[in-house]
Amino acid sequence: EAQVTQNPRYLITVTGKKLTVTCSQNMNHEYMSWYRQDPGLGLRQIYYSMNVEVTDKGDVPEGYKVSRKEKRNFPLILESPSPNQTSLYFCASSSATTSSYNSPLHFGNGTRLTVT
Amino acid sequence: GENVEQHPSTLSVQEGDSAVIKCTYSDSASNYFPWYKQELGKGPQLIIDIRSNVGEKKDQRIAVTLNKTAKHFSLHITETQPEDSAVYFCAASISPKAAGNKLTFGGGTRVLVKP
Repeated sequence: EAQVTQNPRYLITVTGKKLTVTCSQNMNHEYMSWYRQDPGLGLRQIYYSMNVEVTDKGDVPEGYKVSRKEKRNFPLILESPSPNQTSLYFCASSSATTSSYNSPLHFGNGTRLTVT
Repeated sequence: GENVEQHPSTLSVQEGDSAVIKCTYSDSASNYFPWYKQELGKGPQLIIDIRSNVGEKKDQRIAVTLNKTAKHFSLHITETQPEDSAVYFCAASISPKAAGNKLTFGGGTRVLVKP
């Protein structure tokens, strides 16, 4: 089954304790992205990656890091989480490439993060 | 950058009635407008999309209309059913090739279909 898998689904942590949210897709997609969802603000892009070793900032990248060492994986790293990073996070992938236009995004089921 | 506004934020309809969600966008260069449906505990899923060279698109009970002059687009759901209850997001994209899926999302509409 084609899917985007995020782990964990729920995470409660304390300020300053480094954490990683994993994301994996099995559709051989080149494009992957991270979003955060907050009430009334919709989904805002954090980082995206057009291919292995190619990443770029989205609209709200502050406080986050990503890496793309393999095509299927795109982990989101919070080096020093703060309470304002409490949110619902989604990983997504698509078949979009640098030579093609928009393609539908396939989302994971989300990670609800609480930072106290 | 692009800004997308979505209204209403909540919508309650009686089963069988129609539901309409409206979005406006700011950048006249936007040319791709998808709609996503998010069910409880799940990620958003694409339900329909429209490109700027088309004014209307239908898929069974859902339709999307686009008015490029006014820079707004709408989602229409006819004969609503309880399974239509979800959060709906509109989005817009300029689709520059180098940025791939650069979507700007609206704030979402929570739709409740009452039996």
